[in-house]
Amino acid sequence: GEDVEQSLFLSVREGDSSVINCTYTDSSSTYLYWYKQEPGAGLQLLTYIFSNMDMKQDQRLTVLLNKKDKHLSLRIADTQTGDSAIYFCAESWGGYSTLTFGKGTMLLVSP
Amino acid sequence: GAVVSQHPSWVICKSGTSVKIECRSLDFQATTMFWYRQFPKQSLMLMATSNEGSKATYEQGVEKDKFLINHASLTLSTLTVTSAHPEDSSFYICSAGGGGLWNEQFFGPGTRLTVL
Repeated sequence: GEDVEQSLFLSVREGDSSVINCTYTDSSSTYLYWYKQEPGAGLQLLTYIFSNMDMKQDQRLTVLLNKKDKHLSLRIADTQTGDSAIYFCAESWGGYSTLTFGKGTMLLVSP
Repeated sequence: GAVVSQHPSWVICKSGTSVKIECRSLDFQATTMFWYRQFPKQSLMLMATSNEGSKATYEQGVEKDKFLINHASLTLSTLTVTSAHPEDSSFYICSAGGGGLWNEQFFGPGTRLTVL
């Protein structure tokens, strides 16, 4: 079945870059997403990448996709304390199809 | 981006009572709404998918009679937890898709349910 794996925890210092990694198994995934969840809140879509792309950059966020290895990463440049949250990667076939989430990576940014 | 609201944001109820959670798309018509459940420090688990005007499609292992979903309009879906028990305590999150925003789901802020 479909599976999405993430490391559970990442700790960085303010100003450093953060890299959160994700692997997935469904090669038919069309869209891959990164969501951010702050404590007690819902999910906020940060960015997504279409499966025929290798990279997408959006301000401080850079998404890299290695489709051959089914590996997705999110790089946050100049990480701030406000970036502390849980980050979920997710995959879907697009449209209104089901999202399959990883377990989330808790990012802790220390001053 | 599109806005999805949930009400209530948190609820505490006694065991055996029923609780209704509303999910509304505020500025677009949601053809499809999804209900997720999230346990502490866990990922989101899809419970069901509902399309406006039709019966919800439940994921394997989710009791249809316990978690009643109604998607009566393009802007409102409700989840009713019937005869709630302490093990139903969780964070329930809805998401909505539609209105031409075909490759995104927009998430509500979630509802924290605590059953005593």
